Amino acid sequence: DAGITQSPRYKITETGRQVTLMCHQTWSHSYMFWYRQDLGHGLRLIYYSAAADITDKGEVPDGYVVSRSKTENFPLTLESATRSQTSVYFCASTLFGNTEAFFGQGTRLTVV
Amino acid sequence: GQQLNQSPQSMFIQEGEDVSMNCTSSSIFNTWLWYKQDPGEGPVLLIALYKAGELTSNGRLTAQFGITRKDSFLNISASIPSDVGIYFCAVLNTGANSKLTFGKGITLSVRP
Repeated sequence: DAGITQSPRYKITETGRQVTLMCHQTWSHSYMFWYRQDLGHGLRLIYYSAAADITDKGEVPDGYVVSRSKTENFPLTLESATRSQTSVYFCASTLFGNTEAFFGQGTRLTVV
Repeated sequence: GQQLNQSPQSMFIQEGEDVSMNCTSSSIFNTWLWYKQDPGEGPVLLIALYKAGELTSNGRLTAQFGITRKDSFLNISASIPSDVGIYFCAVLNTGANSKLTFGKGITLSVRP
C-alpha cells in the first residue's frame, strides 16, 4: 500500500537490548524524520535525513542510531535500550522544500 | 536549540465556542505550520503559512503568520466534538538541512 508505514506498532523490550524500529515510505520523499513523543515534551526530533546516506542529529539523538541506505527506508536503532527511551516514536517524510510532512501511525515502545 | 512556546498545555471549551491558540519563538522563521493529532494517530497538517502577515483559512480554522515572523496563532470557530486532539505549531528551517521543529502542543477538549 502507498504511504508511510512503521513497524512494529507496539514493542516491549528489556533494558540493555538492541531494538530497531522500521519506517518505510512509498513516495520517494527525500526527507525523513524520527520523533519521539512524551507527555509534556511534545514531539522532539531525534534524527533526520535529507537523502539516502545523509543523516543529521536532531534535538535528542543520544542513545539512537539511524541509517538510510535506500531512500524509502529509515530505520531507527536503540543500541542498548534504557527505560527513559520508553515513548511513542513517529516517523515522517516530506519532499524537499515541501512543508507537508506525512507521519506514520507511530510505534509505542516500552522498555522494562 | 530552537524552542517554540505553546501554552497552556490543555484547554477545555464548550461545543460551539471559538478558541484561539498562540505559538511564539525567540527566533525568526519563514514558514509556520499547524498540525493536529487525533488520539492514536500521527499528526496531520492543518494549515501552512509562508509569508509574514499572511492570514489563511481552512474551513472553520484560521491561522495567521505574525508580522515579526516570531509567532503565529490558530483560531477554531464554532467548535465541534471532533476538534478534540493535540494541536501543534511547527516551524521549518529552510535551506540545505531543512528540518521540522514542533512545539509541545495544546490538548483541546470539547464539552458537548
